[in-house]
Amino acid sequence: DGGITQSPKYLFRKEGQNVTLSCEQNLNHDAMYWYRQDPGQGLRLIYYSQIVNDFQKGDIAEGYSVSREKKESFPLTVTSAQKNPTAFYLCASSPTSGGTNYNEQFFGPGTRLTVL
Amino acid sequence: QQPVQSPQAVILREGEDAVINCSSSKALYSVHWYRQKHGEAPVFLMILLKGGEQKGHEKISASFNEKKQQSSLYLTASQLSYSGTYFCGTVNAGNNRKLIWGLGTSLAVNP
Repeated sequence: DGGITQSPKYLFRKEGQNVTLSCEQNLNHDAMYWYRQDPGQGLRLIYYSQIVNDFQKGDIAEGYSVSREKKESFPLTVTSAQKNPTAFYLCASSPTSGGTNYNEQFFGPGTRLTVL
Repeated sequence: QQPVQSPQAVILREGEDAVINCSSSKALYSVHWYRQKHGEAPVFLMILLKGGEQKGHEKISASFNEKKQQSSLYLTASQLSYSGTYFCGTVNAGNNRKLIWGLGTSLAVNP
């Protein structure tokens, strides 16, 4: 079955530690995205990538880093510089056509990160 | 730039209808609608690409008024399974790379 997997579902870390969230897709999509969602809030874009070895900052990139070495994988590192990292993190992917983004986004199940 | 959704929350009895609106201050290229159940990932409902376009998904339909820079989601004869938070996302004309999300409308359908 095609889809997006995120692991782990729940993650606990001590303050000051970096943590990497995994996101893998087998949908053969070019574009991948990382969102952060806080309680009662919408989705805020952290980083996105339209193609392998290229990625762009979203609206709230500070304190986060990503890599896109393979088409299927787009891991997100939450660094100790992120002041308030506790949140629900969602990874998504979408096909692109001509570089435009008017296709549906498919979401992974999310990782709930709690920093103690 | 963020689209504005209204209402923020709505409570229905099973079988009632609801309308959720999504308005933008910018000219729109497309509007996306998603539903998210508590603790889960958003699930795609539909995309509207052209002004005046209407689409349907079971008893959920949507319209896109390009001139008014807004879209409306219509939920007809609501079912318990319709409960969740509905998000619209907009792609601005001229900015075709990022989807900008609204803050969501919480919908609760009670028996």
